Amino acid sequence: KAGVTQTPRYLIKTRGQQVTLSCSPISGHRSVSWYQQTPGQGLQFLFEYFSETQRNKGNFPGRFSGRQFSNSRSEMNVSTLELGDSALYLCASSSWTGGNTGELFFGEGSRLTVL
Amino acid sequence: KNEVEQSPQNLTAQEGEFITINCSYSVGISALHWLQQHPGGGIVSLFMLSSGKKKHGRLIATINIQEKHSSLHITASHPRDSAVYICAVREYFGNEKLTFGTGTRLTIIP
Repeated sequence: KAGVTQTPRYLIKTRGQQVTLSCSPISGHRSVSWYQQTPGQGLQFLFEYFSETQRNKGNFPGRFSGRQFSNSRSEMNVSTLELGDSALYLCASSSWTGGNTGELFFGEGSRLTVL
Repeated sequence: KNEVEQSPQNLTAQEGEFITINCSYSVGISALHWLQQHPGGGIVSLFMLSSGKKKHGRLIATINIQEKHSSLHITASHPRDSAVYICAVREYFGNEKLTFGTGTRLTIIP
């Protein structure tokens, strides 16, 4: 069974640009969540999607957005990039469909550098 | 004060030693996760707990819901256990976001 796939793995952008990151979950998983990891703030929750609906949202500005498609693949977008957005962006999928939390399976991450 | 506190922040031990990493949290939770992150970024979920104790190989995780505390134990530690171990809690109800601890960097010396 293929794991969680994130693309691209590495990317470099300049301030003011926008970026779109993609996440393909494990086959059959309908829950996808996104996280930002920086040396200063550690791991922080961005948002979580289930069946194309945003289920939970972290404390990030509106420049950070996401969506989930009918095949459960998810994208996140960051507009008007700032230097502080440089981070490792991680995606995780889960077999959660309601009730108790499901185990998380993480992708390798997309490392974004903003110059 | 962070909602999730881990201790110690750094831990160096000799191969074969028994390792304990602690996690305390201040909110009501529906589940607690223990994660392992090796250099390079990849994160692996080790355990998901809502009560009691779980064991997987040389790893044991326990949680005390009343005391809002969890521990991760590694028996017969090995250099390949060297990694950052992260505790994360999923809060109850409403916005059930995951909140992470700052991690414990474990180094096992041969």
